[in-house]
Amino acid sequence: KNQVEQSPQSLIILEGKNCTLQCNYTVSPFSNLRWYKQDTGRGPVSLTIMTFSENTKSNGRYTATLDADTKQSSLHITASQLSDSASYICVVSTLSGGSYIPTFGRGTSLIVHP
Amino acid sequence: DAGVIQSPRHEVTEMGQEVTLRCKPISGHNSLFWYRQTMMRGLELLIYFNNNVPIDDSGMPEDRFSAKMPNASFSTLKIQPSEPRDSAVYFCASSSEGQGGLNTEAFFGQGTRLTVV
Repeated sequence: KNQVEQSPQSLIILEGKNCTLQCNYTVSPFSNLRWYKQDTGRGPVSLTIMTFSENTKSNGRYTATLDADTKQSSLHITASQLSDSASYICVVSTLSGGSYIPTFGRGTSLIVHP
Repeated sequence: DAGVIQSPRHEVTEMGQEVTLRCKPISGHNSLFWYRQTMMRGLELLIYFNNNVPIDDSGMPEDRFSAKMPNASFSTLKIQPSEPRDSAVYFCASSSEGQGGLNTEAFFGQGTRLTVV
């Protein structure tokens, strides 16, 4: 069964600090991996996307890594800001029967304190 | 473009009533997804359409749930009869098919918060 596991479940950090969120998956065959940010009461917004051949991708203060061999990804946030408080969701997609099927992790809830 | 538009934003209904959620995808996108999000289970894919055709509805919890996409610019998710355990936020997302048949980024609507009492 395709699964995406994220850790930690929740994280509290001080403004200005760095943090790293983890994502392990068993989705096969692998198509791509996305990290989404979901603010409270809003829909998820894509931060990064990586295919099999990519092992790192940056978007401002967000840097995602991918190890396709160990089926692990991380999202590193540098110099956190209060606006980074949100849920971060890892999504791994597979091609099945010619269709694109995403499997969502349950997310890491990040709280940034002043 | 206004993005993916969902309506209503909030819905409160009594158990047993029919509920219809609506979604207008981004113009030009040919894939549409319906998701349900709860604290316990996170985001769950319910059904996925490609070119208005349902491709995978294995995530639809039971026969009380049905979804339609009569044209490229409109989709509905219907629950009949609704039950308290259906209370959740329902998201609609759309994307377009990029190179190699891989979908590009999925853009999400604001969601419909459904409460069944």
